[in-house]
Amino acid sequence: GAGVSQSPSNKVTEKGKDVELRCDPISGHTALYWYRQSLGQGLEFLIYFQGNSAPDKSGLPSDRFSAERTGGSVSTLTIQRTQQEDSAVYLCASSLVQNNNSPLHFGNGTRLTVT
Amino acid sequence: DQQVKQNSPSLSVQEGRISILNCDYTNSMFDYFLWYKKYPAEGPTFLISISSIKDKNEDGRFTVFLNKSAKHLSLHIVPSQPGDSAVYFCAACAKGMGGSQGNLIFGKGTKLSVKP
Repeated sequence: GAGVSQSPSNKVTEKGKDVELRCDPISGHTALYWYRQSLGQGLEFLIYFQGNSAPDKSGLPSDRFSAERTGGSVSTLTIQRTQQEDSAVYLCASSLVQNNNSPLHFGNGTRLTVT
Repeated sequence: DQQVKQNSPSLSVQEGRISILNCDYTNSMFDYFLWYKKYPAEGPTFLISISSIKDKNEDGRFTVFLNKSAKHLSLHIVPSQPGDSAVYFCAACAKGMGGSQGNLIFGKGTKLSVKP
């Protein structure tokens, strides 16, 4: 079946521009997560959505970052006024429910390069 | 301050031998641990997990060991195969304290190379 789909796979943008990254989770998965991986680093939690509950935004690094999940399915991560330190691979994941027995299924990521 | 540490950035093993990947953590609240495997240009895929109520979990060629007193876990792969060559991430969360698997804390990963 279809896995988590992310678009675009690569994005090059100029410093100061806004970018939008899209994630299509696995159908039926109620929990959706955004992580990012900077060069040489582990995965850094950004935000997660669970059903209709308020999202946990505790990992967002600054107010330039925001995310939406419309209709409980597709999610968009927006980065405003991009900076060079925003360059990273942004990974989206989904799970059936938010508990121990539902491992996260990751997409292939969007590689963002800010020049 | 890293809460999950994978001190070996890389490991090279001969095909057929055992691969041992190590992970240390500092937060005593962590009660659930996972290993993810990542190939280049792909997202991580779940491999195996262990709850803090256990000290061992086995799935085929993969076994995870947990030593709570030492705050240490390890992943054993035996026998190692060339297709196991990937980056392995250790991750942890504090489910029992109301945390969620969404707040997984990941290590920086260990790149495993299995040579034929």
